Amino acid sequence: GEDVEQSLFLSVREGDSSVINCTYTDSSSTYLYWYKQEPGAGLQLLTYIFSNMDMKQDQRLTVLLNKKDKHLSLRIADTQTGDSAIYFCAEKSGSARQLTFGSGTQLTVLP
Amino acid sequence: SQTIHQWPATLVQPVGSPLSLECTVEGTSNPNLYWYRQAAGRGLQLLFYSVGIGQISSEVPQNLSASRPQDRQFILSSKKLLLSDSGFYLCAWSVTEYTEAFFGQGTRLTVV
Repeated sequence: GEDVEQSLFLSVREGDSSVINCTYTDSSSTYLYWYKQEPGAGLQLLTYIFSNMDMKQDQRLTVLLNKKDKHLSLRIADTQTGDSAIYFCAEKSGSARQLTFGSGTQLTVLP
Repeated sequence: SQTIHQWPATLVQPVGSPLSLECTVEGTSNPNLYWYRQAAGRGLQLLFYSVGIGQISSEVPQNLSASRPQDRQFILSSKKLLLSDSGFYLCAWSVTEYTEAFFGQGTRLTVV
């Protein structure tokens, strides 16, 4: 079945850039998503990218997709303490009716 | 605009008691609806999804059931809770099965 993997933890200094990585196995993935979860809250959709795109930029967020390596990354520029949260990568293939999530990356922003 | 409401936010229930979590969506018609569980260790597991009234698909065998009595209402239930049912339950909706999902704020269930 489909599998999505992420590293569990990432720490950065305030003002630096954060790069959160994700790999997936389903070559028929059509949409790839990044969600943010703050403590005790639901998931908030940050951004998504279609599988026929290489890059998408939205303010401080940049998503890079390497379809050949099945690798997705989320770059947060000028990381702030408010960016501390768990970030989930998720994918949906054309045949699936639901998202497959990674286990999430806990981003800690240090002052 | 569309909004999703999920309640209660927290719930402490004894083992063997029934459960009913409710989720409603506003501002859209015929949404796809989902129940996810996030257990300790934060992985998200899809429990149920529904593409229409009365249409429920179960992803994993378990002690829970789901119902969709109205177009924008999705209910997660159990007749007798187990300790292992503890977790963070998230309701979500999407316009179609091919588009992104939007999540509610979640319900923290603790079975004691």
